[in-house]
Amino acid sequence: DAKTTQPPSMDCAEGRAANLPCNHSTISGNEYVYWYRQIHSQGPQYIIHGLKNNETNEMASLIITEDRKSSTLILPHATLRDTAVYYCIVNSGGSNYKLTFGKGTLLTVNP
Amino acid sequence: GAVVSQHPSWVICKSGTSVKIECRSLDFQATTMFWYRQFPKQSLMLMATSNEGSKATYEQGVEKDKFLINHASLTLSTLTVTSAHPEDSSFYICSARDPLAGYNEQFFGPGTRLTVL
Repeated sequence: DAKTTQPPSMDCAEGRAANLPCNHSTISGNEYVYWYRQIHSQGPQYIIHGLKNNETNEMASLIITEDRKSSTLILPHATLRDTAVYYCIVNSGGSNYKLTFGKGTLLTVNP
Repeated sequence: GAVVSQHPSWVICKSGTSVKIECRSLDFQATTMFWYRQFPKQSLMLMATSNEGSKATYEQGVEKDKFLINHASLTLSTLTVTSAHPEDSSFYICSARDPLAGYNEQFFGPGTRLTVL
């Protein structure tokens, strides 16, 4: 699976949009981009995934660049409960379902 | 989304004893489950892949005789830490993949915090 690079930490004001970047310049054509988050002392939670089109669900939006070498997770109206470590993971699925977690980005939402 | 439970949520044991952690998929059948370990302020590290009805596949550097995995049914996988030592103290997390999902969304348990005295 391709390696990802994320900033170690970010801050966001409550109510504002949080934009979390991820670089995955070595992504291959059949690899998806997944985002998970982990609130302190809990198991990770799936947020969203995409292949090449932008995606939106009730939690977030995922913007993938046209060359697929980077993506941005957008939390449109961040709340204090969104404070967590956010992981960007690239995975091809198929017979390899193993998720490799990097260090992620610690997003702190401030009041 | 689907729910995965773990039991116990925390356990304290003496050095040398064995501890069993259960991971259950509550509303779906999981042919594949994963076990992770997370040390303080570090990321999750995959320990092994648990396949129903067959032997687990361990990641490099993980001792299979120390971390026994059993996936006897489509809803239950167990991790037994044998002869636990203080360095095994960690946060153990399992995940399960719903095979009916068309993509690799995995559902994670809440984790089990193991403290070995």
